Amino acid sequence: DGGITQSPKYLFRKEGQNVTLSCEQNLNHDAMYWYRQDPGQGLRLIYYSQIVNDFQKGDIAEGYSVSREKKESFPLTVTSAQKNPTAFYLCASSIAGELFFGEGSRLTVL
Amino acid sequence: SQKIEQNSEALNIQEGKTATLTCNYTNYSPAYLQWYRQDPGRGPVFLLLIRENEKEKRKERLKVTFDTTLKQSLFHITASQPADSATYLCALDMEAGRRALTFGSGTRLQVQP
Repeated sequence: DGGITQSPKYLFRKEGQNVTLSCEQNLNHDAMYWYRQDPGQGLRLIYYSQIVNDFQKGDIAEGYSVSREKKESFPLTVTSAQKNPTAFYLCASSIAGELFFGEGSRLTVL
Repeated sequence: SQKIEQNSEALNIQEGKTATLTCNYTNYSPAYLQWYRQDPGRGPVFLLLIRENEKEKRKERLKVTFDTTLKQSLFHITASQPADSATYLCALDMEAGRRALTFGSGTRLQVQP
């Protein structure tokens, strides 16, 4: 089946540790995105990439980093510089404007 | 600053009635507007896209209107069912030259049997 796979689904991290969230798609989409969602709130854009080896900061990029070495993959690293990393993270890919989302990764900082 | 506003209060309706959700935006003139459905703990699912030159769009029991003068979109679900209970998000391309969507905070719909 074609789609977007995020892993892990749940992740616990100690303060001061970096953690990397995986996002893989087999839809052959050029564009990929990372959003963050906090309880009762909408999605906020962290980073996006329109093409391999290129990416742009979104509205809340501080404390996060990404890479886009392959068309299929767009991993997100939550660094220790992110002050409030506990959230639900959503990856998406796009063609013709419509976004296809993964099932999300829930990160909890202990 | 540019903003998208959706009613943060949950909308409760009886099964069979029409649900109407509102999305208002400020300052920017988007090329298109989209609606998504999100169930608890899941990723959003695309429902409909309407372009700036379209007034209305339909898909089965769903209807979306787009008034660029009022800067408002209305999302209707006719003959609502309990299975329609979810949070509905509107999204726009809010920044010129940035090919990424900005989302509203969503409105939770609860359809009572």
